[in-house]
Amino acid sequence: ETGVTQSPTHLIKTRGQQVTLRCSSQSGHNTVSWYQQALGQGPQFIFQYYREEENGRGNFPPRFSGLQFPNYSSELNVNALELDDSALYLCASSPRGGGLTYEQYFGPGTRLTVT
Amino acid sequence: AQSVTQPDIHITVSEGASLELRCNYSYGATPYLFWYVQSPGQGLQLLLKYFSGDTLVQGIKGFEAEFKRSQSSFNLRKPSVHWSDAAEYFCAVAQTGANNLFFGTGTRLTVIP
Repeated sequence: ETGVTQSPTHLIKTRGQQVTLRCSSQSGHNTVSWYQQALGQGPQFIFQYYREEENGRGNFPPRFSGLQFPNYSSELNVNALELDDSALYLCASSPRGGGLTYEQYFGPGTRLTVT
Repeated sequence: AQSVTQPDIHITVSEGASLELRCNYSYGATPYLFWYVQSPGQGLQLLLKYFSGDTLVQGIKGFEAEFKRSQSSFNLRKPSVHWSDAAEYFCAVAQTGANNLFFGTGTRLTVIP
């Protein structure tokens, strides 16, 4: 069974640029969630995708957007990068159905640095 | 609004000693509760979860947690800590309306020989 994978591992961008992060969900999981973890903080929910549609969103501006593909993989796009966007971005997948939706399995994350 | 409080920012224990990490939550109904562990530079690994039923749940790596509704707590315990347990531990509650997990700020565990 393949776990959640994310790419790239590390990324350095300049303020104002755009970035795309990628995630492949765990086998059998059809729901993908994205979290931002700033240094020294707990992860904060960005949004969730199910059946290729956004299915819940946290308190993040519209310049954070995403996609889910038919194979359940997902992308996180961030436009007009700001210094505060520097963080570890975590992708989590879960099966759908009742409490299982919340049994989320995380990838290793993408470390984004904005300079 | 839901919230999760982990009152201990940093805990140091000796190898072989017992461990208890505290977690308090605020939620209107019976919550889904989780403990995750994060090693430096890594993603989060699910240690255990509580959905319903027996209030004492067993997890991986010898961890257990007890759900106490009267105290709104879900504390994580381990009877004998190993050096490899040094990591950051996060308690989380499911926000059922928004389909996401709400995390505490974490407790950093240091294990000394």
